[in-house]
Amino acid sequence: GESVGLHLPTLSVQEGDNSIINCAYSNSASDYFIWYKQESGKGPQFIIDIRSNMDKRQGQRVTVLLNKTVKHLSLQIAATQPGDSAVYFCAEAGGGFKTIFGAGTRLFVKA
Amino acid sequence: NAGVTQTPKFRILKIGQSMTLQCTQDMNHNYMYWYRQDPGMGLKLIYYSVGAGITDKGEVPNGYNVSRSTTEDFPLRLELAAPSQTSVYFCASSWRFQETQYFGPGTRLLVL
Repeated sequence: GESVGLHLPTLSVQEGDNSIINCAYSNSASDYFIWYKQESGKGPQFIIDIRSNMDKRQGQRVTVLLNKTVKHLSLQIAATQPGDSAVYFCAEAGGGFKTIFGAGTRLFVKA
Repeated sequence: NAGVTQTPKFRILKIGQSMTLQCTQDMNHNYMYWYRQDPGMGLKLIYYSVGAGITDKGEVPNGYNVSRSTTEDFPLRLELAAPSQTSVYFCASSWRFQETQYFGPGTRLLVL
């Protein structure tokens, strides 16, 4: 899950396994959610988004699930590869306020 | 398309010095943003712009200034640098306001 502080939550998975990264968002008025991937020394990169009128959206090897009841978002990465190693963070937007970014979860993929 | 480009990649400043971080995008996006990213923290919005000639403060604007004379360019100015401004700065742009943002590679700034 997300946390604020110097130490990011870390998820370590074996190459080929599925990864699930979680995010708790804060504003029930948020209606648009985005997952970003940030590799070391680079800027964040868009992965997938979802609007609040959906529960699930799939991309290439990635799926985002949205549970508005508990204000929870998850990113599932299928068949995780070494190139997936990065920090992943969610963002919530809409409701008339500025985008709020989570601190992120660091994903390590073991070969 | 180069996307969003930022210069410089890295800079060391002494306390009290000033500098401008450059940001350019070639996607014809109206919306542009400046963020700072501190270790283990989420991105914090410094300033944003909804179009040429229009800028507004974000969450942490103190110590910074921006201008937007063209659609493509959105420079961030630091006046009287302080150690608290040591951070990584990201510029971003988007097609729709606050929706999917495209980020530059970042500028790492160290103030000593």
